[in-house]
Amino acid sequence: AQSVTQLDSHVSVSEGTPVLLRCNYSSSYSPSLFWYVQHPNKGLQLLLKYTSAATLVKGINGFEAEFKKSETSFHLTKPSAHMSDAAEYFCVVSDMFSGGYNKLIFGAGTRLAVHP
Amino acid sequence: DGGITQSPKYLFRKEGQNVTLSCEQNLNHDAMYWYRQDPGQGLRLIYYSQIVNDFQKGDIAEGYSVSREKKESFPLTVTSAQKNPTAFYLCASSIWQGGQPQHFGDGTRLSIL
Repeated sequence: AQSVTQLDSHVSVSEGTPVLLRCNYSSSYSPSLFWYVQHPNKGLQLLLKYTSAATLVKGINGFEAEFKKSETSFHLTKPSAHMSDAAEYFCVVSDMFSGGYNKLIFGAGTRLAVHP
Repeated sequence: DGGITQSPKYLFRKEGQNVTLSCEQNLNHDAMYWYRQDPGQGLRLIYYSQIVNDFQKGDIAEGYSVSREKKESFPLTVTSAQKNPTAFYLCASSIWQGGQPQHFGDGTRLSIL
């Protein structure tokens, strides 16, 4: 069975410093992986997706993630944090083989705080 | 602009009452989903529908019901059998193909009076 572990429930950074949100996954197959962002009382917005093309994936708002099969990791990074990046971030893996439907398995989320 | 519309944004339920949450999409997606989100937890799947007039239970379907009479619409009813309905409910849609991302609405927050 596929699963996702987000290694930090809370991350706090200063504005202008790098962001690292860590995610490990387990999968028996070649996974599709996603990062979503959720601002308070809002839905989830897709930041980026990995679907077995390039291992370094660029997303919106300056975020990127690197797929490392040997480490089963898909960490999210950004070189310089903005105040507007403060939100909850979810690492998600797609289960392509569970009854043939597009099931998403969500991590528990990482809350990112950005301080001036 | 294409997207998913959920209404209402806030909803209050009295004891013993059924309430229905609306979800409409104009993305021409075949698949639609309902999730429940509780504080400090990831999303849990309630129901999903691959095609009109067909839907399947997800991981936490007890106390909920759905219908899919139109491609664009996938309403969720929270019945009185759901003893802990207070949560944030999110609707999503996607292309019916493995590995595709889902697109989310802005959610409905349900509380008990």
